[in-house]
Order: sequence, then structure tokens, then C-alpha cells
Amino acid sequence: AQKVTQAQTEISVVEKEDVTLDCVYETRDTTYYLFWYKQPPSGELVFLIRRNSFDEQNEISGRYSWNFQKSTSSFNFTITASQVVDSAVYFCALSEAGEKLTFGTGTRLTIIP
Amino acid sequence: GAGVSQSPRYKVAKRGQDVALRCDPISGHVSLFWYQQALGQGPEFLTYFQNEAQLDKSGLPSDRFFAERPEGSVSTLKIQRTQQEDSAVYLCASSLVTGNQPQHFGDGTRLSIL
Repeated sequence: AQKVTQAQTEISVVEKEDVTLDCVYETRDTTYYLFWYKQPPSGELVFLIRRNSFDEQNEISGRYSWNFQKSTSSFNFTITASQVVDSAVYFCALSEAGEKLTFGTGTRLTIIP
Repeated sequence: GAGVSQSPRYKVAKRGQDVALRCDPISGHVSLFWYQQALGQGPEFLTYFQNEAQLDKSGLPSDRFFAERPEGSVSTLKIQRTQQEDSAVYLCASSLVTGNQPQHFGDGTRLSIL
């Protein structure tokens, strides 16, 4: 069975600090996909990134970067120079065979101005 | 439309009533998913359609939950004889195809059972 663990329930940082959100996953499949979603107070889940299990290259998109390490089954998300607009709940998710998503319990990030 | 549209945005029902939640996916998206999100939790999978075919309903909590997508576009999630534990946000998502295509979510329907 697949499982996603986000051990950090809540994180608060002062604006402009860097912050890393942890995600650890479990799966028996060799082919799988990993995702990060952002859920602002409005409630809509906003897609941020996907990774397939064969691509371990780290990715950077503006202030966002992702570190995928199969050896530790982790897919961590770093926000550099955080801004108040980054305040939201962030979910890591796993998909086997590219179908249903299994989500972690989320990390509530608060950026303090 | 530009995004996934769900209606109603909020629904209040008395215990024992039936409710129907609607999802209008992104035009042309083949796959449609329903998730249930309890307060403070991550979304949990309910069911999945590819076009009009319901390929996976393993997440439906009981036989009171029923979903359909008769023409491969709009989908309806129906809950019969609602109970208080059904109170949650119901999220609909669609994707172009399955595989590594991301799922795009609607704003959800917040269901409260009194």
C-alpha cells in the first residue's frame, strides 16, 4: 500500500527566511509519480510540481525548489526568501500507475511579516 | 470552462436527507476524480472515472455513496441518508489523461450535516 508522511504539522517562519517542507513516501511500485499541491485559505488545491520515479533531477522554479531522493524515499520542497503570500497548507501526494492520489496530512506554513 | 467547476459551494442538510454534488471538469479532460477532505486532513480518494466508465470506486465509504458520469463530462456524487460523519469538503479533480498528468482541482463543496 502507498503512504505519504508529512511529519511537520505546522511551520512558522519570518518573511524572507528559507523554509523546507519534508515529505517521505512508501510504495512497492517501481513506477510512481510524486506531486506537491498548495491549498490557500480559499480552499482550492493548486498544482505545483510532479516528478516521476525515473527522474531524480532536482528542480528549481523561481523561489521554489524540490529535492527528490529515492534512496531515502523523500521529496522535499524548499521555498527561498519566503513571502506572506506563501502562507498556505502544502500537500505532498503519491500516485501509483498515475491514477488516484494518496495525500499526506499536509503542512500548514505561516509566513510572519 | 477555464477550470474545474463544482456546485454548490456550500450545502447544509439534515441528517437522513439525500444530497447531490456536481462537478464540471475542464473541457476535454478524460479523467475525473472525487476526493473527500475532512477538517485538518489531506484529501482522500473516493472514486475515479475515465470518460463515462467508473474504473475505481474503492474509496467510497459505504453504499450510501454513489457517483456517475453518464456522458463522460459532468459528474454527480450522490450521498443518500446522510450522516454527521459525511460532513467534509468534497473535491473534484480532472486530468487530460491518466499517467503523469497533474490533476486540476475545483474549489470543492463544503457539506455540513446537522
